[in-house]
Amino acid sequence: DTAVSQTPKYLVTQMGNDKSIKCEQNLGHDTMYWYKQDSKKFLKIMFSYNNKELIINETVPNRFSPKSPDKAHLNLHINSLELGDSAVYFCASSRVLTAGADTQYFGPGTRLTVL
Amino acid sequence: AQTVTQSQPEMSVQEAETVTLSCTYDTSESDYYLFWYKQPPSRQMILVIRQEAYKQQNATENRFSVNFQKAAKSFSLKISDSQLGDAAMYFCAYKEAGANNLFFGTGTRLTVIP
Repeated sequence: DTAVSQTPKYLVTQMGNDKSIKCEQNLGHDTMYWYKQDSKKFLKIMFSYNNKELIINETVPNRFSPKSPDKAHLNLHINSLELGDSAVYFCASSRVLTAGADTQYFGPGTRLTVL
Repeated sequence: AQTVTQSQPEMSVQEAETVTLSCTYDTSESDYYLFWYKQPPSRQMILVIRQEAYKQQNATENRFSVNFQKAAKSFSLKISDSQLGDAAMYFCAYKEAGANNLFFGTGTRLTVIP
């Protein structure tokens, strides 16, 4: 069974469009995250949600809006897509908010290409 | 701000041999956690090993072990008996205790030569 799943795995779209990426975890975790991996493979956190409350917003443009209908889902909606948004987006989850070595489990990633 | 540095963009190892990937980090905290993640061509991020800073004993997971030097802020990954399936990007990551933000290094691409 997939622990953290994302859909779609690939997304190709035109500049200016609005798109969403869905994430679901079946691990019973309380905290979920979105990371962005750029073309140089650098991974950086975008958002963190704990029990449907936003915890981190690391200076991400407000065109990006995470939405968490329940603690098992954290979707990423992107408005007015720009060329620079092309990247791989990873969803992740962990058991509790501040547990020490609590492992973050990652989804398979969504490769977004903006033309 | 915490930074994680992986100074080896690429490494290669002969199958069955041992390779060590380097990672250093910068922090003023004393309580934190370190991780190595593997990203094969499938893109999936897979946890390889983790280390609690308060533990002196180096973590080991089968063929994977770390050399954690807290004073030097160094956290290297040793892969023994390398296998073709070990070929991947390897990312070192840091997390402060009480926080949930993972800081990643820039990765090391490991090639395993048959």
